[in-house]
Amino acid sequence: DAGVIQSPRHEVTEMGQEVTLRCKPISGHNSLFWYRQTMMRGLELLIYFNNNVPIDDSGMPEDRFSAKMPNASFSTLKIQPSEPRDSAVYFCASSFDTGSGYTFGSGTRLTVV
Amino acid sequence: GENVEQHPSTLSVQEGDSAVIKCTYSDSASNYFPWYKQELGKRPQLIIDIRSNVGEKKDQRIAVTLNKTAKHFSLHITETQPEDSAVYFCAASPGNTPLVFGKGTRLSVIA
Repeated sequence: DAGVIQSPRHEVTEMGQEVTLRCKPISGHNSLFWYRQTMMRGLELLIYFNNNVPIDDSGMPEDRFSAKMPNASFSTLKIQPSEPRDSAVYFCASSFDTGSGYTFGSGTRLTVV
Repeated sequence: GENVEQHPSTLSVQEGDSAVIKCTYSDSASNYFPWYKQELGKRPQLIIDIRSNVGEKKDQRIAVTLNKTAKHFSLHITETQPEDSAVYFCAASPGNTPLVFGKGTRLSVIA
């Protein structure tokens, strides 16, 4: 198994532009999580899905953030418009269920200038 | 909701010594406690976990202990090596909600 696959690995964009981050979870995993990591705030849960259904998006910082999971093998996190304070590493993780160990992707390092 | 506190935030030890990282949690319903290791520029990786029906678990040089009464759990690394240098995160979950992570401990093993 290739593990959780995220793309792109790095993204540099100008303020105001739309950014789309992508994630392919491990086949057979029913739960998918989007986390944001910064030095100041650590690992923050943004949103999670069970069986492709969004369960809790209370961690999404603003309406500028949105996430979808159209099928069991693909999810996106979109930021529109992007702002410099969105600069962080965004991790996608998947697991069999919310109470199991997570496997993280390699992350996307986002820089908004 | 769950709240996880982790201490210390940084820890330096001499190679060969032991390292201990402690976490406390607030939700008495939490029953799953994993530990993740994150090397610089890489993803967090699960290194050991424990469930609430077990008090201690070992895997070679790594062990985790759990005290449900006091709501705290600890990571113990013995005979530390330079490759143990990383950021370690604890987490907790009652099973039906996602993991809540501690803020991390930066461990430096000095050769």
